[in-house]
Amino acid sequence: KNEVEQSPQNLTAQEGEFITINCSYSVGISALHWLQQHPGGGIVSLFMLSSGKKKHGRLIATINIQEKHSSLHITASHPRDSAVYICAVNTGNQFYFGTGTSLTVIP
Amino acid sequence: DTEVTQTPKHLVMGMTNKKSLKCEQHMGHRAMYWYKQKAKKPPELMFVYSYEKLSINESVPSRFSPECPNSSLLNLHLHALQPEDSALYLCASSQGRQGSYGYTFGSGTRLTVV
Repeated sequence: KNEVEQSPQNLTAQEGEFITINCSYSVGISALHWLQQHPGGGIVSLFMLSSGKKKHGRLIATINIQEKHSSLHITASHPRDSAVYICAVNTGNQFYFGTGTSLTVIP
Repeated sequence: DTEVTQTPKHLVMGMTNKKSLKCEQHMGHRAMYWYKQKAKKPPELMFVYSYEKLSINESVPSRFSPECPNSSLLNLHLHALQPEDSALYLCASSQGRQGSYGYTFGSGTRLTVV
């Protein structure tokens, strides 16, 4: 069993739709990261969370420490949001990655 | 400067070649990492340097040799690689070890071994 599970694995949305990607983890963490990776490209860190909620533009990330669950929301999705979104957790000693959610936003 | 810069962006090398990947950051981060990422898979940790000392080596074959000449620079020396070593090699850095206070990735080096 992976320490970090993401759902869905693949997601296709129409432009303008509200998108949610979920992440559950099974280990104690000091922080959770949401990362974005475009095809063939490097990784961009979107958020680092240890509690509550953060917002950056159209992206919102939330975390529930008690439930060991985080969500990444994208409002008014756009084709340029098409990428792989990766949830990763830091336990203080280790960094565990989810397998990623591949998002395609269709114009 | 809030970036991790990796060079080259693309590299094609033969199995008998010796090449090096370079990673540089000027954010004052004291931990630096090498990851290997195969297509459609999450990154796999290879090495961690903390305060210029190798702190984690995830059983990586000796044909990969990391080097941290100073707190801003991390190299990965490659020698006698195999075609299965073709992958995206990502460098990252963090203020604290294992990303306790923020984590920045480079854009990667796409390596092809022929």
